[in-house]
Amino acid sequence: DVKVTQSSRYLVKRTGEKVFLECVQDMDHENMFWYRQDPGLGLRLIYFSYDVKMKEKGDIPEGYSVSREKKERFSLILESASTNQTSMYLCASSLLSGSGSSYNEQFFGPGTRLTVL
Amino acid sequence: QKEVEQNSGPLSVPEGAIASLNCTYSDRGSQSFFWYRQYSGKSPELIMFIYSNGDKEDGRFTAQLNKASQYVSLLIRDSQPSDSATYLCAVNKRTDSWGKLQFGAGTQVVVTP
Repeated sequence: DVKVTQSSRYLVKRTGEKVFLECVQDMDHENMFWYRQDPGLGLRLIYFSYDVKMKEKGDIPEGYSVSREKKERFSLILESASTNQTSMYLCASSLLSGSGSSYNEQFFGPGTRLTVL
Repeated sequence: QKEVEQNSGPLSVPEGAIASLNCTYSDRGSQSFFWYRQYSGKSPELIMFIYSNGDKEDGRFTAQLNKASQYVSLLIRDSQPSDSATYLCAVNKRTDSWGKLQFGAGTQVVVTP
């Protein structure tokens, strides 16, 4: 089974702090994604990565950066946390598009609920 | 116009009845379509995917795709209280590379005993 883990289930930070959210997958997936989920807005893509050191902006990248130094690990960084970044953050991974089974099926981690005070 | 639209619900369904969920998408060239189930406080999990026009059945679930009309639906037969969750529709657009998916906001389903 694919396993995607996230470093924390709950996190409370203060405005202005630098925040690191870590995600690790154990299925050798090429693609990794960071989403935030807010009531009524669904899943919104922040950043994704299709290879080590490769990244692309999603729909809402402002205020975030990412790092992918190893294939299995994808980090989301909030350089200076703000209250409007209070949200549920979900990491996902998938095989590279077209590489075989289920194409773009994304597997999700358990999520990190971040509160910024 | 949102790229993937779903009725937010809640959709109230008596136990044993059929729940019908709809999803419309804006990109005519979209290629693959996914239904995820998300229980409250949990992360989404895939329940169905479909690529070709028509119906695809998996147990109590049936996905229906109509590319000409740009909609995909999910039917849940013999609904159970355990089916109470939010169902997310996701679409892989033709113009999106690298396995990106566009998600709808989800439809909340409540199955009442």
